Amino acid sequence: GAVVSQHPSRVICKSGTSVKIECRSLDFQATTMFWYRQFPKQSLMLMATSNEGSKATYEQGVEKDKFLINHASLTLSTLTVTSAHPEDSSFYICSARVVWGITNEKLFFGSGTQLSVL
Amino acid sequence: TQLLEQSPQFLSIQEGENLTVYCNSSSVFSSLQWYRQEPGEGPVLLVTVVTGGEVKKLKRLTFQFGDARKDSSLHITAAQPGDTGLYLCAGAAGAQKLVFGQGTRLTINP
Repeated sequence: GAVVSQHPSRVICKSGTSVKIECRSLDFQATTMFWYRQFPKQSLMLMATSNEGSKATYEQGVEKDKFLINHASLTLSTLTVTSAHPEDSSFYICSARVVWGITNEKLFFGSGTQLSVL
Repeated sequence: TQLLEQSPQFLSIQEGENLTVYCNSSSVFSSLQWYRQEPGEGPVLLVTVVTGGEVKKLKRLTFQFGDARKDSSLHITAAQPGDTGLYLCAGAAGAQKLVFGQGTRLTINP
């Protein structure tokens, strides 16, 4: 099946630094990828929709200048948490959308990145 | 805003018991998916239901989509410790988005 690779799996950084998370579709092309945030024992909250070659679409309440998304190729989307603060500590997950035919589609998820900001 | 209410949020039962997890909404979804997530990992798709009234079985797991496509249920028969995990329902909300329920954290005790 389709594989989505997300790196790093865990990152610890100092407050004020920026962190980049990569999401790659390994054996398929994904024109659309999604970025989610998940706090402990809670569900996934969609942060933004990443479209290859165009600007990302952010959900209400998500700061686009803080969470920079780049989808420069059909197999790679990156999320950069700029000037990270302890409240940004969370589990970040990406997913890639696969479409075949007219109505068939699936989402494949990365393994997530646990970000801890000290 | 389309919301999915998932219940119960926490469930701890003994091995061999049966259980049902519910996913309800006031909105209609074109399809609904169930995922299982292990700690520190991304969700893994279990099933997608598309047609109102549809029932799908995956070994001891039975998934049902409501006739009006507003709700769904996951029933596990003879639960085993390996079934422990976070179960998430997610509805296709149009514009390529998935709306996730709050999740059900299931613990099966040996």
